[in-house]
Amino acid sequence: AQSVTQLDSQVPVFEEAPVELRCNYSSSVSVYLFWYVQYPNQGLQLLLKYLSGSTLVESINGFEAEFNKSQTSFHLRKPSVHISDTAEYFCAVTESPPYSGAGSYQLTFGKGTKLSVIP
Amino acid sequence: SQTIHQWPATLVQPVGSPLSLECTVEGTSNPNLYWYRQAAGRGLQLLFYSVGIGQISSEVPQNLSASRPQDRQFILSSKKLLLSDSGFYLCAWGTGAYEQYFGPGTRLTVT
Repeated sequence: AQSVTQLDSQVPVFEEAPVELRCNYSSSVSVYLFWYVQYPNQGLQLLLKYLSGSTLVESINGFEAEFNKSQTSFHLRKPSVHISDTAEYFCAVTESPPYSGAGSYQLTFGKGTKLSVIP
Repeated sequence: SQTIHQWPATLVQPVGSPLSLECTVEGTSNPNLYWYRQAAGRGLQLLFYSVGIGQISSEVPQNLSASRPQDRQFILSSKKLLLSDSGFYLCAWGTGAYEQYFGPGTRLTVT
């Protein structure tokens, strides 16, 4: 089984400042990792994903995350945030092939980090 | 392209009343389907998932049930709602061990 820890429940940051949202995971098997964003009263949108290859993955709106296997982390960063980035961000993990058994189709989510961008 | 629909968008129901939330997916075949509940301050809780028609796995014991009568239709039901059933219900679809795609959600308030 996997678990995800998002160390900060709330992160306030000023507009145009950099931000890092932390995510650590625990798993006895290889994993795929994801970041989702949720705007108020909306569903979750996939922001970026790590499946294999380069450990640094980027989204189209300037976010990036780096998979660090030794530290079991997948922190999300943005060098300069905008007001429109205000949202809740969820880190998620799932087991990657080959599968160890049942439950391989499930994502395990962290509890979320609320990012508030201050004008 | 794939699209996922949920309805209703909002619902206010009294305690003890029945519930039926519907989710449909377009543009894909034989998806895995999921129901999550999001309560304030508690993150996402996986309630049910389905890998095929009539195949439902329950993750949390509760007074809710799920059904998948058609390949791209997933229904969440309850015979008698509790106050603790209030929350934001999200349906999602996926293909195996990759990412899941979420619907717009249903805000349920049990009074």
